[in-house]
Amino acid sequence: DAKTTQPTSMDCAEGRAANLPCNHSTISGNEYVYWYRQIHSQGPQYIIHGLKNNETNEMASLIITEDRKSSTLILPHATLRDTAVYYCIVRDWYSGGGADGLTFGKGTHLIIQP
Amino acid sequence: GAVVSQHPSRVICKSGTSVKIECRSLDFQATTMFWYRQFPKQSLMLMATSNEGSKATYEQGVEKDKFLINHASLTLSTLTVTSAHPEDSSFYICSARDRGGGVDTQYFGPGTRLTVL
Repeated sequence: DAKTTQPTSMDCAEGRAANLPCNHSTISGNEYVYWYRQIHSQGPQYIIHGLKNNETNEMASLIITEDRKSSTLILPHATLRDTAVYYCIVRDWYSGGGADGLTFGKGTHLIIQP
Repeated sequence: GAVVSQHPSRVICKSGTSVKIECRSLDFQATTMFWYRQFPKQSLMLMATSNEGSKATYEQGVEKDKFLINHASLTLSTLTVTSAHPEDSSFYICSARDRGGGVDTQYFGPGTRLTVL
């Protein structure tokens, strides 16, 4: 799997949009970008994933650059409950690699300030 | 999203005893489940892959005789920590692979906090 790089921590004001960047410059054509978050003392929560196109769901939006070497997770209106560690993971699910467990890096600790 | 449950959420046991943790996929079938461990202030580390109807595969450094995994059905995997010791105290988290509806995603359980005295 391609390596990802994320900032160690970020602050965001409550009610504002939180933009979390992720670099994955060695991503290959079959690899998807997945985002998970882990709130303290809980299991990771799936947020969103994408391949090439931008994606949006009820939780967040995922913006992937045209060259796919980086992406941004956007939480449009951050609340205090969004304080968590956010993990960007690149995975090749659809070409036989989906049977493997996920490799978690250190992620970004997002702190929402009141 | 898909729901994965774990039981118990918290367990305290004496050194030398065995502890069983259950992981269930509630609204989908999972031929593959995964077990992770997380120590304080660290990231999740994959321990093993649980395959329905076959033996689990373990990551390097994880003792298969100590961490017994059984994946008896498409919705249940169990992890048994045998002869637990204080150094086994950790946060154990399972995930289940959902391949239905064109989606291939892992969903995680809420975790089990194990404390060995």
